[in-house]
Amino acid sequence: NAGVTQTPKFQVLKTGQSMTLQCAQDMNHEYMSWYRQDPGMGLRLIHYSVGAGITDQGEVPNGYNVSRSTTEDFPLRLLSAAPSQTSVYFCASSYSTPGELFFGEGSRLTVL
Amino acid sequence: AQKVTQAQTEISVVEKEDVTLDCVYETRDTTYYLFWYKQPPSGELVFLIRRNSFDEQNEISGRYSWNFQKSTSSFNFTITASQVVDSAVYFCALNRDDKIIFGKGTRLHILP
Repeated sequence: NAGVTQTPKFQVLKTGQSMTLQCAQDMNHEYMSWYRQDPGMGLRLIHYSVGAGITDQGEVPNGYNVSRSTTEDFPLRLLSAAPSQTSVYFCASSYSTPGELFFGEGSRLTVL
Repeated sequence: AQKVTQAQTEISVVEKEDVTLDCVYETRDTTYYLFWYKQPPSGELVFLIRRNSFDEQNEISGRYSWNFQKSTSSFNFTITASQVVDSAVYFCALNRDDKIIFGKGTRLHILP
């Protein structure tokens, strides 16, 4: 009973490097989203998707790309990492929107 | 624009006391949903409740209760007879179309 799985859980990058945070869910949820959590800032929405082939921007999309080729997967790409992207990233899914979000365990990213 | 304000950044109470977490929201929509999530020290995010704008009945679930008042745009959360296990960060959230926007959270410390 995996739910929402994020990998990796921890990652250290150098400024300018690129990487992809993976997110997969096995609940057949149409809705998926990415948030970042920074101290004192709560959870801020980066990108979201209401179904395969459909993505849209959230509150803080700059510096991040997403795609949704399957219902199960929703990867988040950092094209050129910056220290301001040091954060904890959460992937979430929901059967529909606006429904209960099921969150992954989070991925802690440090950009040096 | 949609907005969620949790004015209490941090609260400390002694175990068995009652505590209320405030949530004030702004929206131009007539139909919307409000949420509460809990983030214990272990870091996972746990759904607590979803309430739609047409249902102003208060809800009680064990020691937890929620008071939704459209007249004051508030959706407050009360924990009765608090326990150490209630120590967590609590987030209030509001949907804006397909986006779920979170407040900055209230960190609750329950002192033994």
